[in-house]
Amino acid sequence: EAGVTQFPSHSVIEKGQTVTLRCDPISGHDNLYWYRRVMGKEIKFLLHFVKESKQDESGMPNNRFLAERTGGTYSTLKVQPAELEDSGVYFCASSPQYTGELFFGEGSRLTVL
Amino acid sequence: QKEVEQDPGPLSVPEGAIVSLNCTYSNSAFQYFMWYRQYSRKGPELLMYTYSSGNKEDGRFTAQVDKSSKYISLFIRDSQPSDSATYLCAMSGMDSSYKLIFGSGTRLLVRP
Repeated sequence: EAGVTQFPSHSVIEKGQTVTLRCDPISGHDNLYWYRRVMGKEIKFLLHFVKESKQDESGMPNNRFLAERTGGTYSTLKVQPAELEDSGVYFCASSPQYTGELFFGEGSRLTVL
Repeated sequence: QKEVEQDPGPLSVPEGAIVSLNCTYSNSAFQYFMWYRQYSRKGPELLMYTYSSGNKEDGRFTAQVDKSSKYISLFIRDSQPSDSATYLCAMSGMDSSYKLIFGSGTRLLVRP
């Protein structure tokens, strides 16, 4: 069974540009999550989808971040415009149930110059 | 003060040693406790998942939760060089169990 896949693995952009990260959850997992780790900090929650609906986006840092989950399948996280402090690793995770047993992808490393 | 405290290490042990990794926390509402292993440039991999207090064993790994002390541990028996990684504790509450609060991670190096 394929795990959570994320694309791209690494993105380098200039400040002010736009980047879109993609996540494909494990097949059959209705719950999808975005987390991120910025330099020197712990991994922190960004938001939670159940199918195509946003259940909790309390961790989104500001309105430069937009997450979508088309048809309850894959999800995208867009950062527009990117700022230096957005650099870090963005992890996607999924789970079959509404529990803490999350399965993480390998992450998308974002570097904003 | 952080909600979850974890010694960043690094912790270096010889192969075959018993490893003890620990986290303390401040939020008494936490009910779910997890340990993740993360290899360099990879995503966190779930190792152990525990609800409330008690012990859980899986092969060479044992997770312990002491809610009265707000303290959780992961023990690794007969450690192997392949266990060298960063170990992250994570926890969450009943009302938002998916919203994991992570520790900063402990780097473990098992020397052959």
